[in-house]
Amino acid sequence: NAGVMQNPRHLVRRRGQEARLRCSPMKGHSHVYWYRQLPEEGLKFMVYLQKENIIDESGMPKERFSAEFPKEGPSILRIQQVVRGDSAAYFCASSPPGLGTDGYTFGSGTRLTVV
Amino acid sequence: SQQGEEDPQALSIQEGENATMNCSYKTSINNLQWYRQNSGRGLVHLILIRSNEREKHSGRLRVTLDTSKKSSSLLITASRAADTASYFCATDVNNFNKFYFGSGTKLNVKP
Repeated sequence: NAGVMQNPRHLVRRRGQEARLRCSPMKGHSHVYWYRQLPEEGLKFMVYLQKENIIDESGMPKERFSAEFPKEGPSILRIQQVVRGDSAAYFCASSPPGLGTDGYTFGSGTRLTVV
Repeated sequence: SQQGEEDPQALSIQEGENATMNCSYKTSINNLQWYRQNSGRGLVHLILIRSNEREKHSGRLRVTLDTSKKSSSLLITASRAADTASYFCATDVNNFNKFYFGSGTKLNVKP
C-alpha cells in the first residue's frame, strides 16, 4: 500500500501561470481533503471531496481555485493565474468513510513556489 | 476561530525528559487528533481520541481529553532526539470528516 501519493513534490510557477496539484488517495479511501500550510503555520482546511462530489469547499478562495475528484484518477487541486501569495505547501489527506481510529493519512505535500 | 490552539508554541527539552503539549478549542467536538510533522514533511497521525474518552496511550505517548475545559494534552515520556518535530492537534467540530488544525507546538529535544 503506497499510502497517499502527491505530485509533484515541488512546483515552480511564474505569476499568472496555472498550477495543477495531484493527489492519489490511499487504496480503499474514498474521502480526500486538501489543506494549505504557510511557513511556520498550521494547516488551513481548503476542501473536502468524495468521488465526483465536492462535499465542503468552505476553505477555498472564491476565485482562481478549484478542486475535483473524478470517478477515475487522482484528485486535482487547480490554481489559475497564480500570485506570490499562493506560495505554500499543499497537503492532501485521505480517509475511509467513518474515519475509524486511524485519522487521516497525509501525503508528503506539494511545495508551490510562485516567482 | 474553531481551530484547536496548541500551547506552548515552542518547547526545548533535554533527551530523556518528558514533554507536555496542550491544545484548547472553542466548540463541542466528536474527535480530537494529534499529528506530528517533521520539518519539510507531511503529517503523521499519532492518536485519535473521541469525545467520550478521557485518556489514550500509544507507546510513549499519552493523550488526555477534558471536554468540560475544552482542552487536550499530549505527553511524550522519555523523549528522544528523534521526537524533534512540530506537533498539531486537530478538532472536527461536529463534522466527522473535516478537521481544523492549530498552529502547532515546535518541540526540540536536545541530545
